[in-house]
Amino acid sequence: GAVVSQHPSWVICKSGTSVKIECRSLDFQATTMFWYRQFPKQSLMLMATSNEGSKATYEQGVEKDKFLINHASLTLSTLTVTSAHPEDSSFYICSARTRGMNTGELFFGEGSRLTVL
Amino acid sequence: GQQVMQIPQYQHVQEGEDFTTYCNSSTTLSNIQWYKQRPGGHPVFLIQLVKSGEVKKQKRLTFQFGEAKKNSSLHITATQTTDVGTYFCAGPRGNQFYFGTGTSLTVIP
Repeated sequence: GAVVSQHPSWVICKSGTSVKIECRSLDFQATTMFWYRQFPKQSLMLMATSNEGSKATYEQGVEKDKFLINHASLTLSTLTVTSAHPEDSSFYICSARTRGMNTGELFFGEGSRLTVL
Repeated sequence: GQQVMQIPQYQHVQEGEDFTTYCNSSTTLSNIQWYKQRPGGHPVFLIQLVKSGEVKKQKRLTFQFGEAKKNSSLHITATQTTDVGTYFCAGPRGNQFYFGTGTSLTVIP
């Protein structure tokens, strides 16, 4: 199957700093990438849908100025958590869908565990 | 936001027993997918159902899509310890993709 690489896997940062997480589709072109956030023992909460070359669509309650998403190419989307605070500590997972498909499986990255001290 | 509910939230079974998780959507879905997430891992695609009333099998796993395309179920026959994990249903709404609340399965050897 298709491979989505996400890094870093783990990141620890100080409160107030910004953290960038990268999500790459290694062997296919992803016109759409989804960013999810997952708290322990909870489901994946969709944060935003990222379309290549256009602005991301954020879910209600997700601050777009705090969670900056850039999808500059068909193989790379980035999520930047700006001015991180301890409550931003979570597991962030990206997933990608191949070009032109509204159905079909999502390919997930390995996830990034963020801890804000 | 989340409009896909799953029950039960947690299930503990003895190895060899069967397991079922149910997924209910407040809206009709064009398709539904099932994913498995092992502890500490990321979700892995299991299957997609598209047709009303569709039933698909993968070895010991049986997936069903309701006639109204608003609910689905996953049934595992004779669970094994390798079945441990959280099972999520997921469905599209527009260009977004939402996950159900998940069912965490523990298999006791």
